[in-house]
Amino acid sequence: NAGVTQTPKFRILKIGQSMTLQCTQDMNHNYMYWYRQDPGMGLKLIYYSVGAGITDKGEVPNGYNVSRSTTEDFPLRLELAAPSQTSVYFCASSLGPHGGQPQHFGDGTRLSIL
Amino acid sequence: GQQVMQIPQYQHVQEGEDFTTYCNSSTTLSNIQWYKQRPGGHPVFLIQLVKSGEVKKQKRLTFQFGEAKKNSSLHITATQTTDVGTYFCAGYNDYKLSFGAGTTVTVRA
Repeated sequence: NAGVTQTPKFRILKIGQSMTLQCTQDMNHNYMYWYRQDPGMGLKLIYYSVGAGITDKGEVPNGYNVSRSTTEDFPLRLELAAPSQTSVYFCASSLGPHGGQPQHFGDGTRLSIL
Repeated sequence: GQQVMQIPQYQHVQEGEDFTTYCNSSTTLSNIQWYKQRPGGHPVFLIQLVKSGEVKKQKRLTFQFGEAKKNSSLHITATQTTDVGTYFCAGYNDYKLSFGAGTTVTVRA
């Protein structure tokens, strides 16, 4: 049972480059989320989706974009990478609305912008 | 906006001892969740508390939700090396789930 799968696990980008962080889940969850985790700062919500075709901004959406064409996939796009985007990125999913149901997290993508 | 604060930020515990970590919200919460993240790992859901004054136990872990639903605590008895990691609380209100910064626990054998 795979759960939430994120790729890649590690990546180094140069300033100004773009990339897509992939996230897929096999639990048929409608709700999916992207968080970033900086040292000592907890988890900050970037974007979330309540179902295929529906996305919305979280606390820190600037510099990111998302799409949700299927229930399973929720990719996160970084355009024009900046050093401030160096972080660990976690994708998560839940059966119901966040806060009402447990969230299942992927293993994370560790991203460095140099 | 809603803020969730956890204290202490770091907890160094002698193996076998007990400790408590606290979570405080600036607003009344609908519910609160607790997660554990092992070093280098991802957050894993532990428990959800919904009712005022609710107490739930998982083996050596005791979770409590305050009467006013603005605070919560996690108490671990007889700490073991397997308890190492960062414990996050996440408070839910008004369609927003806010994570605290976490309490990072280290254990001295």
